[in-house]
Amino acid sequence: GENVEQHPSTLSVQEGDSAVIKCTYSDSASNYFPWYKQELGKGPQLIIDIRSNVGEKKDQRIAVTLNKTAKHFSLHITETQPEDSAVYFCAARKAGTALIFGKGTTLSVSS
Amino acid sequence: GAVVSQHPSRVICKSGTSVKIECRSLDFQATTMFWYRQFPKQSLMLMATSNEGSKATYEQGVEKDKFLINHASLTLSTLTVTSAHPEDSSFYICSAPGQVGEKLFFGSGTQLSVL
Repeated sequence: GENVEQHPSTLSVQEGDSAVIKCTYSDSASNYFPWYKQELGKGPQLIIDIRSNVGEKKDQRIAVTLNKTAKHFSLHITETQPEDSAVYFCAARKAGTALIFGKGTTLSVSS
Repeated sequence: GAVVSQHPSRVICKSGTSVKIECRSLDFQATTMFWYRQFPKQSLMLMATSNEGSKATYEQGVEKDKFLINHASLTLSTLTVTSAHPEDSSFYICSAPGQVGEKLFFGSGTQLSVL
């Protein structure tokens, strides 16, 4: 089955800096790659997603890139703010199956 | 967008009791629902796939007799934790695929604490 690896497990940046989180997946049939932000005691919130027919997607300060050949995808957050501090999860899925999550990255943005 | 409603949001129970968690798709039909468990500071781990009108599919290592799943209608799936023990204390969350596309919609989760 699918296996998703996520790095780093923790990331500390200064406000205004950029943050990058990377994930790799194992199943070449996976075609949907979302990123979630989770705050303590709450369910995951989708922040951006990308499909396998697209190489990059951007939404304001957040962008995701996908390299299908290498089977890795990355989350980029620019101009980080303290409210960006949370746990971020990447995930992968193919049609008809569940999302498989990475282990998460705890992002801390200090002002 | 599609909404998945999950109840209760928080439950505290005594060891040995059973707890039922409900997951409803409010404005769409879900023939499949996925149940996840999340221990503190860990990732969401898939427990089982719930299929309307048929038996659930459990992931390796998940006891099907302990975690009973019922998907009796196109909008409701339930997870019952039977004879709960402190080690079952966790955050349980359900999700369902929308009618179109690959996106999954998540419930708000249930924090189970077993004393």
